[in-house]
Order: sequence, then C-alpha cells, then structure tokens
Amino acid sequence: GQSLEQPSEVTAVEGAIVQINCTYQTSGFYGLSWYQQHDGGAPTFLSYNALDGLEETGRFSSFLSRSDSYGYLLLQELQMKDSASYFCAVRLMDSNYQLIWGAGTKLIIKP
Amino acid sequence: NAGVTQTPKFQVLKTGQSMTLQCAQDMNHEYMSWYRQDPGMGLRLIHYSVGAGITDQGEVPNGYNVSRSTTEDFPLRLLSAAPSQTSVYFCASSLGLAGRVQYFGPGTRLTVL
Repeated sequence: GQSLEQPSEVTAVEGAIVQINCTYQTSGFYGLSWYQQHDGGAPTFLSYNALDGLEETGRFSSFLSRSDSYGYLLLQELQMKDSASYFCAVRLMDSNYQLIWGAGTKLIIKP
Repeated sequence: NAGVTQTPKFQVLKTGQSMTLQCAQDMNHEYMSWYRQDPGMGLRLIHYSVGAGITDQGEVPNGYNVSRSTTEDFPLRLLSAAPSQTSVYFCASSLGLAGRVQYFGPGTRLTVL
C-alpha cells in the first residue's frame, strides 16, 4: 500500500530550530506538500517540493529526496504560535490525482 | 473571494438520520474533495471530484454519497448516520488536477448520537 510516515509528536524550545520528517512508500507522485493545522482549525498550506532539494519560505523550509523516499519540514526561530500539527501529503500520478496524507506531527513548543 | 465555504459549522444527528453537508468554492477550481478527521488523527479521503459530473471514491467512502453538478458545489450526503461517523469534515479544492495547494473550508463538526 501507499503510505507516509511522520513522528507523532515533536517537542522544541522557543527560538530553536526543529525538523519534522516524512518518509513515504508511494508510486509516482507530483510533489510533496506540507500543511499546518492549529487545534480546532483547518489545514493551511505551508510548502511544496516538486523537485529534489530545498525550498525556503521565510522561517519555513522543506526538503525532498525522491531517491531516499524522504522529506522534511524545517522550522527556524520557533515561536509559540508555531505550536500546531504538521502534515505531509503527496498527490499521486496513477490514482486520479488523489492526495494521500501522513497522520500528522504535533509540535509542542516550550518557553 | 470567499474561498471554500462549508455549512453547517456544527451538527448533531440521531442514529439513522440523513443530512447533507454543503461545500462551495468561488475560485473556479476543478478538483474538490471531502475528508474526515477523527480526534488526534490525520485526514482521510472520503470522496473526490476532478470536475463537474465526475466523482470517485477515496479511502473511506462507505455511508457517504457525493455529486458534482456544478464546478462550484460539492455536497456530501450522509445516508443513514451512525455514531462511527462522528468526526470533523473538511471540504477542500485545488486549481487544476495536480494543483500544489489545497484550500480547505473551515470544517463541519458532526456528532451522531
């Protein structure tokens, strides 16, 4: 089957850097996406990697290595408002463009 | 642009009742989908549509029906509600079939007693 795996929870300190990993077992896909979801809210788009390498958007960066079936989201200069769940997702090429999602990583930030 | 809108925000049903969750988008997006999210869990795809008149099943379609008569609207119908369908339901849309960004509605919190 096709799946994405993420750690269930990560804890970090305010002002620090944290990396959230996503490993996957899928057939061909268009790209790896990352979404943020605060408690009680809807997921919102953060970042997208169509190609291998690093994409940077402000304090957030995302990385993809198709040869290693691996990606990660890097959050720098952590702020308390970054406390949320983070999801990776891929859109499949051979399954009518379905998006499949990881189970999410809850990021806990301590002062 | 209102983006993706969903109604109602909250709903309580009794077992066996039916209802329709509404979803609309004003961005002319081809791709629309319905997810459910159980507490502490990720998103599971219920049904999706790649354009008006075209729908397909996702990971957990049983107990749900969808239709897509227009580009804008994608309602989700619960046929006979069961307690196992208690969840938060999100509708999402994206531009193009391989659109990089999914835009989510605010969600509907459904409780089935």
